[in-house]
Amino acid sequence: GAGVSQSPRYKVAKRGQDVALRCDPISGHVSLFWYQQALGQGPEFLTYFQNEAQLDKSGLPSDRFFAERPEGSVSTLKIQRTQQEDSAVYLCASSNRDSSNQPQHFGDGTRLSIL
Amino acid sequence: GNSVTQMEGPVTLSEEAFLTINCTYTATGYPSLFWYVQYPGEGLQLLLKATKADDKGSNKGFEATYRKETTSFHLEKGSVQVSDSAVYFCALDTSYGKLTFGQGTILTVHP
Repeated sequence: GAGVSQSPRYKVAKRGQDVALRCDPISGHVSLFWYQQALGQGPEFLTYFQNEAQLDKSGLPSDRFFAERPEGSVSTLKIQRTQQEDSAVYLCASSNRDSSNQPQHFGDGTRLSIL
Repeated sequence: GNSVTQMEGPVTLSEEAFLTINCTYTATGYPSLFWYVQYPGEGLQLLLKATKADDKGSNKGFEATYRKETTSFHLEKGSVQVSDSAVYFCALDTSYGKLTFGQGTILTVHP
């Protein structure tokens, strides 16, 4: 399809393991965002890419969280040494310009559960 | 910093009832305002938006007016349907698209 694709849809990991979450944005979209959505809460901003450049990572909760978009298309969010508080839905969104006038298209998210 | 506050939920209505979901915000600068909706089992979708004061966003029978004087962006619909049952999120953006969301309001509409 033509939408934002995230994989896996569900991920279960043991505390202390590393995980990698993938986002395939809509082709040609310049801007890519990652959000974290805890149960019963609204999404919270994690980080932003314009093409391959990570321009804002102010929302990453700790240095265990790392995101990359090396070729300006697919992005990966990596969480090292996972903790139980990392359990959440991780959402990816893309838009074709870095402007609030451009709608963001969201993926269905990856639901991460840390045991 | 920026923040968005939505009315406490959940909201339960009968079909054809009038809907209001309150949203107020705090922001630096001049934000754009949005309502997103998340239907059961689906991802977030943009419902409507307004980019400057007094603008009215509308879509699928829903409306919201950007009120700068009261820093509000309340969502309304004159006659809800069962298919409107979903979670509704108010959000704002003051710059390049980085969204600040409210906590969400669960709407359930009964036949």
